[in-house]
Amino acid sequence: DARVTQTPRHKVTEMGQEVTMRCQPILGHNTVFWYRQTMMQGLELLAYFRNRAPLDDSGMPKDRFSAEMPDATLATLKIQPSEPRDSAVYFCASGSPTGVLNTEAFFGQGTRLTVV
Amino acid sequence: DQQVKQNSPSLSVQEGRISILNCDYTNSMFDYFLWYKKYPAEGPTFLISISSIKDKNEDGRFTVFLNKSAKHLSLHIVPSQPGDSAVYFCAASIGGGADGLTFGKGTHLIIQP
Repeated sequence: DARVTQTPRHKVTEMGQEVTMRCQPILGHNTVFWYRQTMMQGLELLAYFRNRAPLDDSGMPKDRFSAEMPDATLATLKIQPSEPRDSAVYFCASGSPTGVLNTEAFFGQGTRLTVV
Repeated sequence: DQQVKQNSPSLSVQEGRISILNCDYTNSMFDYFLWYKKYPAEGPTFLISISSIKDKNEDGRFTVFLNKSAKHLSLHIVPSQPGDSAVYFCAASIGGGADGLTFGKGTHLIIQP
């Protein structure tokens, strides 16, 4: 059953606390994306990795957000310190654009973050 | 600056009729377009796509039309079914999607019995 797995599904935290979201991409996929969904902006690309190397994190607030891929089976998105405006649903997606054009990204179920 | 725009936040259609969801884009470099469907509390799932070398792609009840000169694409669902009620996201990419997708804000489609 190939799917992207995200944990936790829900997270409520107090402002100022550190939040870590985890993602297990589909086995064999070499590209991992982090998206954030808000009512105002829709789905925004925060960062992505290819073969575990960060390629673009221009969509991410650098001062408080960080994204890493410690190994091929784990991607993390960390917010420190968290703020109420970070409340959103965070999606991880993986894909396998290994020279084949027109591939789509497969999304996880998301982590709903609420910062109070 | 939204490069992909879905100007209708919601759309209500009667079951059995045609649903038409619209999407406009501003970046002429986009060469691949996708539609994703999203149910509450789930991640978006891929529905259908079209390359810029085509103007139409069909998959069962779903057809996507691309008008490059107008920078406009649309998704047609015929006939609409209750299970089609969801949020539909239009997305676009450059070079096949390897560098991520740019999404619109979504259109909430409601199919009424």
